[in-house]
Amino acid sequence: QKEVEQNSGPLSVPEGAIASLNCTYSDRVSQSFFWYRQYSGKSPELIMSIYSNGDKEDGRFTAQLNKASQYVSLLIRDSQPSDSATYLCAVDRSSGTYKYIFGTGTRLKVLA
Amino acid sequence: GAGVSQSPRYKVAKRGQDVALRCDPISGHVSLFWYQQALGQGPEFLTYFQNEAQLDKSGLPSDRFFAERPEGSVSTLKIQRTQQEDSAVYLCASSLAPNSPLHFGNGTRLTVT
Repeated sequence: QKEVEQNSGPLSVPEGAIASLNCTYSDRVSQSFFWYRQYSGKSPELIMSIYSNGDKEDGRFTAQLNKASQYVSLLIRDSQPSDSATYLCAVDRSSGTYKYIFGTGTRLKVLA
Repeated sequence: GAGVSQSPRYKVAKRGQDVALRCDPISGHVSLFWYQQALGQGPEFLTYFQNEAQLDKSGLPSDRFFAERPEGSVSTLKIQRTQQEDSAVYLCASSLAPNSPLHFGNGTRLTVT
């Protein structure tokens, strides 16, 4: 089992719809969870961070965390073509020394 | 500087050559990470510094890879005797403290021919 798992996609949604991106992780003691967006040929940029169970909203983005199920998700409301990118889930692993583990990313396509 | 700066942006090396990749983190950021990203994959952890101390180098693929951050600021990732499988984008990221989000540089795309 990979430490951080994401569906590679592509996930295709029509413009204006809600895009739902999911991520599961294996380390039960993980405390910090991040979503990054990566456009082709560019470096990852931070969208959201979440540390507590529940929902966290920032503009059109909502991150959801369920530590009991070891599941974190990202919802993008009113999806725009400019949201088309790869979305990376990152989770801290603090057993041993501190580091962040990334999933392979989900490719999102928003169709105009 | 305003962000994490990496140089060079692109590097082409002949197999067997040594390369050095530089990372200048955001001022004041204690933590510095190096990641390797292959095409279509997520970033893979290489090594982690807290100030000048290299606390974790478990992700370095072989003893040809070496990283340092001697004064707790700029870091260099060195790859000796490059091989074709070393071709990838090397990302540097810094964060203010453990648990803080990572801020990435633009990466160095290494191509070994």
